[in-house]
Order: sequence, then structure tokens, then C-alpha cells
Amino acid sequence: NAGVTQTPKFRVLKTGQSMTLLCAQDMNHEYMYWYRQDPGMGLRLIHYSVGEGTTAKGEVPDGYNVSRLKKQNFLLGLESAAPSQTSVYFCASSVGLAGPSSSYEQYFGPGTRLTVT
Amino acid sequence: AQSVAQPEDQVNVAEGNPLTVKCTYSVSGNPYLFWYVQYPNRGLQFLLKYITGDNLVKGSYGFEAEFNKSQTSFHLKKPSALVSDSALYFCAVRDIRDDYKLSFGAGTTVTVRA
Repeated sequence: NAGVTQTPKFRVLKTGQSMTLLCAQDMNHEYMYWYRQDPGMGLRLIHYSVGEGTTAKGEVPDGYNVSRLKKQNFLLGLESAAPSQTSVYFCASSVGLAGPSSSYEQYFGPGTRLTVT
Repeated sequence: AQSVAQPEDQVNVAEGNPLTVKCTYSVSGNPYLFWYVQYPNRGLQFLLKYITGDNLVKGSYGFEAEFNKSQTSFHLKKPSALVSDSALYFCAVRDIRDDYKLSFGAGTTVTVRA
């Protein structure tokens, strides 16, 4: 049981380049999330999904797109990278409303460190 | 909208001493509260949560947290800190009327000196 995995672990982009971050979970969780972590700001929610084929905007969605074509995968795309998107990106998943009421915690992947120059 | 505040950027304690990491929250309804720990270059790990019931919640690695509704606080505690507890700690809150999202505090860096 790998839990939540993210690829790649590190990436350096030039301004204007595009890339896709992949998140996969093997826990059959309904909900998946993408966060960015910046020093002194905690984690901020970029986009999330409450089920296969659904996505929604979080707190800081501008400059990012997401897709959830399969239940176990959640992709985060940067169409035209900017230096302000230099950050550490975390994917997370949770059981969702279908699970027992005690299962609201989120499980996190190891993160992707992205630098945009 | 829900939010949490972690008033201390850093907490320094000696090994063997009690450790407290503070968190206050603001939600419209009843809160679901969580603590996570992040070791260097790792993802966040779940420590404990308060959903309902006893105000004192016990979690992983000897940590516990006390929910105080009147003070809107959820402080993390450990009676005797270890050097290996040195990490970044995050408090998070989820409003039961907004099922999908957690709001995280800015984090508190804990350093336990030998």
C-alpha cells in the first residue's frame, strides 16, 4: 500500500514552460487535493476534487488547471509557468463523505519541489 | 469561513521538558480540528484530530491535544519532548458545513535541544 505518491519529486522550469504534476493514491479515496506550501504561509489549497470527473477551485487556483479522469489520479497542470509558482506542491486525499464519520483526515504525498527561473 | 492561527513561529524546548504548540481557530459551526507534523523534505503526517467527544485527544508519538471551546483553542502537547520531535507542526480546521476543505495555520517550527 503506497498511499499517496507524487511525480516528479523535483523540477526546474523556465518562465513560460508548461508541465504536469501527477498524483496517485491507492486507498480508493473519493476526495483529492492539491496544495502549495510557501514559507510562513502554511498550505494553501489550489484545486480539489470530490470524485472522478469533478474538480473545483480552491484558495489560489489562478495559473493552474487540474483533471481527475480516473479516481486514483489527480493531475495538476501549469500551462505557462511563472516565478511566483516556485513552491513545494503537495497532493492529498481523503475518504470523503462515503466514509465513516471519523475519517475526515487527509493523507499527503511526499511533495514536488518546483523552481521556476 | 474557517481559519486557524498559530501564534508562535518557533518553539524551543530542552529534551525531557514539556512541549506545547498553540493553535486557535475560528469557524461558524462546530469545528473538526487536526494536527499534522512535517519532517524536513517530507510530506505532512497526521498526528491527531478532534471531531467530538472528550476534549483531550491522544494521538501518535505520545502527542495529545486539548480542545477548549470557550477559548477556541486546540493546543498540541507532549509531556516529555524528544530531539526527534523537532519538526514543523501544522494545525488545521474543517468546518462541518464545508466538507471538503482544511484550512491550515502557518506552522510552528519546534526545536528540541539535547
